Amino acid sequence: GAVVSQHPSRVICKSGTSVKIECRSLDFQATTMFWYRQFPKQSLMLMATSNEGSKATYEQGVEKDKFLINHASLTLSTLTVTSAHPEDSSFYICSGARQANYNEQFFGPGTRLTVL
Amino acid sequence: AQSVTQPDIHITVSEGASLELRCNYSYGATPYLFWYVQSPGQGLQLLLKYFSGDTLVQGIKGFEAEFKRSQSSFNLRKPSVHWSDAAEYFCAVVIYNNNDMRFGAGTRLTVKP
Repeated sequence: GAVVSQHPSRVICKSGTSVKIECRSLDFQATTMFWYRQFPKQSLMLMATSNEGSKATYEQGVEKDKFLINHASLTLSTLTVTSAHPEDSSFYICSGARQANYNEQFFGPGTRLTVL
Repeated sequence: AQSVTQPDIHITVSEGASLELRCNYSYGATPYLFWYVQSPGQGLQLLLKYFSGDTLVQGIKGFEAEFKRSQSSFNLRKPSVHWSDAAEYFCAVVIYNNNDMRFGAGTRLTVKP
């Protein structure tokens, strides 16, 4: 149990366009979902935390107008990269935490975004 | 400052040799501790976790880790490494009910034939 999926797994887009990445908890309700960014050969950096039905909380230095996060249901969160630029190219990973236990997160397989 | 440290950026071991990956944390309270493995281009796979109880934790793929409170460490071990263990390994901590997971920088493991 506790499976998280992400779609798409890979996306290539032109500079200036917007890209939406979906994160779904398949077999549990994720009251809280997290979005991470990982540059090549680096660790995961938390971008934002979202609670279902609430606005996301962004980490310092993350532009909330550029990285729009929606957590409309207990099984779905979306990250939209608006007006993407090549420097936004990265590996984006989401995770979900069960309502009953906030101390463990279950990670999705990641989405590779390449902006040309 | 609160942090998670993985001192070794890259480790190379021979297949069949033993392995120990180091992880130290700097937090006031005892955190929840995790080890994840990541293959290139893939997501994270949980190897093991420590919440409380027995400080020697058994995980998947033959891995184990030992929590040492006095040393603020949670080192990952495997008695005999297989070529398929080559990957990136991340130590992570969560402060109880803080819902905030922080990762170490990662250790890249190379396995020699």
